[in-house]
Amino acid sequence: DTAVSQTPKYLVTQMGNDKSIKCEQNLGHDTMYWYKQDSKKFLKIMFSYNNKELIINETVPNRFSPKSPDKAHLNLHINSLELGDSAVYFCASSQGARSRVETQYFGPGTRLLVL
Amino acid sequence: GESVGLHLPTLSVQEGDNSIINCAYSNSASDYFIWYKQESGKGPQFIIDIRSNMDKRQGQRVTVLLNKTVKHLSLQIAATQPGDSAVYFCAERPNSGGYQKVTFGTGTKLQVIP
Repeated sequence: DTAVSQTPKYLVTQMGNDKSIKCEQNLGHDTMYWYKQDSKKFLKIMFSYNNKELIINETVPNRFSPKSPDKAHLNLHINSLELGDSAVYFCASSQGARSRVETQYFGPGTRLLVL
Repeated sequence: GESVGLHLPTLSVQEGDNSIINCAYSNSASDYFIWYKQESGKGPQFIIDIRSNMDKRQGQRVTVLLNKTVKHLSLQIAATQPGDSAVYFCAERPNSGGYQKVTFGTGTKLQVIP
């Protein structure tokens, strides 16, 4: 059973297009995250939702819009894709952002390539 | 700004030897530290964590040491195996109340030589 799943795994698209990445967790966690990992493997948080409420919103272009229909799902929509958006995007979840247990469980990643 | 960083971007170790991966952090408000392992083509995976009220914590073949005086964290892997080859990240979270994000370091690539 996959704890944190993402779709698609690979995404190749043209500049200017709009695309979405979906994430689902079956761990019963309250908090979900989106991270961007660049070519140098640097992991940077983009957004975090706790029980459908946005709690962390880093300095991310407003072309990126997260949506959490319920606490088990956190999707990421990207408008007007740019070359610099090419990266691996990871979804993660944790028990709760205020919990003393902060272990985050990561999905397999979505490899986005903008041409 | 505050940051978490690593001294060695790449570490090559002979199979069977012990590995030590180091991490320096600068946020004195951090009270929780985590090590993650990321294998090629996969997402980061939790290895071990430690709270600031501890100096050492042991898991299966792994030990994390925390030196708050010099803001240094290390991950020791005993009897390194080929399956340990991966990128290792340290991460830290400040204890400042409310929702606090976990900040990841830049990663160290561990190469195990058979």
